[in-house]
Amino acid sequence: AIQMTQSPSSLSASVGDRITVTCRASQGIGNDLGWYQQKPQKAPQLLIFAASTLQTGVPSRFIGSGSGTEFTLTITSLQADDSAIYFCLQTYNYPWTFGQGTKVEI
Amino acid sequence: QLQLEESGPGLVKPSGTLSVTCAVTGDSINRTYWWNWIRQSPGMGLEWIGDIYHDGRTNYNPSLRSRLSMSVDKSRNHFSLTLTSPTAADTAIYYCATRGISATRGGHYWRFDPWGRGTLVTVSS
Repeated sequence: AIQMTQSPSSLSASVGDRITVTCRASQGIGNDLGWYQQKPQKAPQLLIFAASTLQTGVPSRFIGSGSGTEFTLTITSLQADDSAIYFCLQTYNYPWTFGQGTKVEI
Repeated sequence: QLQLEESGPGLVKPSGTLSVTCAVTGDSINRTYWWNWIRQSPGMGLEWIGDIYHDGRTNYNPSLRSRLSMSVDKSRNHFSLTLTSPTAADTAIYYCATRGISATRGGHYWRFDPWGRGTLVTVSS
């Protein structure tokens, strides 16, 4: 199975900051990667798919980039509502696998 | 609007069977989506369990395949997961999610959207 290594595991930032989360795949996965946001007691939400395509309705401060084995999620101008866990998910081949998650505290 | 909601037993004995159901509302389970199960535990993080299409085709995580089965009930518009011989390691929040395909300029890509809120299943005697 493809291993997804996500970093950092947690970070603390302030409103208005720019943060970056990274996912590395154990083998090339093209652009088959999505980023998701998870808040307590709520359904995880899709932010970005195809590595860099913003899901409809997601604010443009969420930016995905990368291809192959290294991917990043950048949140520009962090908002209080962005406090959550973020995780990546590869959909290159079965079994689909996740990054370990990054907890963002504001 | 497509929505998913999980339901489960809450507590399962190790000698029993772990079963969770996902109710699909706002659309038909016969749509061209794959219906997925994912679980999350403190020790293992997020783990994809498997998925099923409305015609009964399935894909299972090899780590669980020997104990796993999934089914679709078209009359009730829901799908289910059954895990035999559960252990404490199967204690987790179980999520259902829809996997659909989207076209971009670069090609076709899978998206997991939407997800349910999850249901906690604890395996304990």
